[in-house]
Amino acid sequence: QQPVQSPQAVILREGEDAVINCSSSKALYSVHWYRQKHGEAPVFLMILLKGGEQKGHDKISASFNEKKQQSSLYLTASQLSYSGTYFCGVQGSNGANSKLTFGKGITLSVRP
Amino acid sequence: NAGVTQTPKFRVLKTGQSMTLLCAQDMNHEYMYWYRQDPGMGLRLIHYSVGEGTTAKGEVPDGYNVSRLKKQNFLLGLESAAPSQTSVYFCASSYYRGGKDETQYFGPGTRLLVL
Repeated sequence: QQPVQSPQAVILREGEDAVINCSSSKALYSVHWYRQKHGEAPVFLMILLKGGEQKGHDKISASFNEKKQQSSLYLTASQLSYSGTYFCGVQGSNGANSKLTFGKGITLSVRP
Repeated sequence: NAGVTQTPKFRVLKTGQSMTLLCAQDMNHEYMYWYRQDPGMGLRLIHYSVGEGTTAKGEVPDGYNVSRLKKQNFLLGLESAAPSQTSVYFCASSYYRGGKDETQYFGPGTRLLVL
């Protein structure tokens, strides 16, 4: 079942912060985050494997709340290069035998 | 390393024609996937493979067939193209790590227009 991403779209000015959410109706084993620039392939950002795990690099970080079956992606002090569509992909609780199911994506636009 | 490559980059077909999309990876990945991406729909899994000689259906397999005769290649076939198959097709591959940290690496995509 496809995870639900929110909000539907985000428009920011450079330097502002944003949060993108990903929620699932089923128990999760892992959450993957990808970013896709217009006309390009999705690029891996990070993966969260454990409940409560938080990860980050540069000014992009994510958390995974296993109990709530959701993950959030945090973009801090956004840069123009952060513009794109952000997808979460979720892996069901049977882990190794479970494929990724992607959400519909959130379009994030950062303006000068 | 070239990573994941896809051939062709763009193709126009007439309804009823057939074609094969080729995906190649040079990372020695066990898993390979074919997705289609349509506006507002995200990435939907068509078929996937967990190793040479194996294939399995994904979320939207109807109208497509796949083959994985060699570990590095994954072919997606359309036997009789329909306008509903107009889409951007992405191939991806990943290591098998027992379900842990199986990052997927995507190819550049193939844009297919069926008239």
